[in-house]
Amino acid sequence: ILNVEQSPQSLHVQEGDSTNFTCSFPSSNFYALHWYRWETAKSPEALFVMTLNGDEKKKGRISATLNTKEGYSYLYIKGSQPEDSATYLCAFNRRYSTLTFGKGTMLLVSP
Amino acid sequence: DADVTQTPRNRITKTGKRIMLECSQTKGHDRMYWYRQDPGLGLRLIYYSFDVKDINKGEISDGYSVSRQAQAKFSLSLESAIPNQTALYFCATSDLRGRHNEQFFGPGTRLTVL
Repeated sequence: ILNVEQSPQSLHVQEGDSTNFTCSFPSSNFYALHWYRWETAKSPEALFVMTLNGDEKKKGRISATLNTKEGYSYLYIKGSQPEDSATYLCAFNRRYSTLTFGKGTMLLVSP
Repeated sequence: DADVTQTPRNRITKTGKRIMLECSQTKGHDRMYWYRQDPGLGLRLIYYSFDVKDINKGEISDGYSVSRQAQAKFSLSLESAIPNQTALYFCATSDLRGRHNEQFFGPGTRLTVL
């Protein structure tokens, strides 16, 4: 069983704060790293799929970086807003394998 | 919109009952998955299917069975439900030709076993 670790487990910030969290994964036989955003009472939705070492992806105020050699990815949110409150999941897969999810980072942004 | 749907959305049942959770998709994806989510444990894979004749166990398949009735339908059964199967269950799909197994999730089924 692959080990995908996310930290912190939860985070509470004020509106306007910038924040970041980490996903650690096995560095061997890397194929792809996924970030999902999961709002309460909704389905998880894909934010980014990252495949190359050094990849940086951006969607609005959210961005992510990838280091496959050392096995980590960072997710950054610039100027957090209450609507960013959600659980952020990362998932790792090797080629021809299914996704292994981390336990998620629960973000709460207070107005 | 092409979609992933799950029925029922909520279910309360008693220990020992047989329960079936259903998943349908209109995305035309060949791959389908069942996950359960428990607080503090993240999403764990129960079963997955890469096409109609393919069924594979995931990380936590004990106590569950599945049926892939058609490309668009994938059902999860609990033959004799027990309280520790109380959880939020998600169905997901992915496209063989898609972005590195990017998955699309249904709305979830909240199951309570008393």
